[in-house]
Amino acid sequence: SQKIEQNSEALNIQEGKTATLTCNYTNYSPAYLQWYRQDPGRGPVFLLLIRENEKEKRKERLKVTFDTTLKQSLFHITASQPADSATYLCALVSTGGGADGLTFGKGTHLIIQP
Amino acid sequence: EAGVAQSPRYKIIEKRQSVAFWCNPISGHATLYWYQQILGQGPKLLIQFQNNGVVDDSQLPKDRFSAERLKGVDSTLKIQPAKLEDSAVYLCASSSNTDEQYFGPGTRLTVT
Repeated sequence: SQKIEQNSEALNIQEGKTATLTCNYTNYSPAYLQWYRQDPGRGPVFLLLIRENEKEKRKERLKVTFDTTLKQSLFHITASQPADSATYLCALVSTGGGADGLTFGKGTHLIIQP
Repeated sequence: EAGVAQSPRYKIIEKRQSVAFWCNPISGHATLYWYQQILGQGPKLLIQFQNNGVVDDSQLPKDRFSAERLKGVDSTLKIQPAKLEDSAVYLCASSSNTDEQYFGPGTRLTVT
């Protein structure tokens, strides 16, 4: 069956360090992969999108990699700050068709400690 | 630019009652999605509309859930009758053709 796995436990990182979050998937052929941030009581907010033919994407302090052979995406936050503390969700859209609703992982709760 | 609006923000009902949620997407966004997010889980797609037509409702429990998007703008999601396991946050999202989805704040439903 199709599965998306993210670090289910909270990830504690010291301020200023790089936080690395992992997203693994099985039995998918994703057209692209997205990362969202979700704060308590709020809807997810889009961060980055990476397509199946791209290896890496950057936006300010954020970097995403996508390895379709390993079936894995890594999400990096460099120079992390306490304000980066949130739940980060990985989401996939499978190849083909007009339906492009997202399939989400459970999310990783990131805590940046001052 | 105004974001996705949802109402109500919170709703408490008893099991077997009915409930409806409303969503107003970002102006000009043709695609609208409803997701269900159970505590500790990622959002799960229930239904996708393109304008006022259904693109994907494969994960919508059609025996109790229904949704419509009249005139291709606002949308309502209804549950009738509600079960305890329907307790969740119901998120509405919209998109244009940029693949990025914009989410509303959600409606937190508690079924007792």
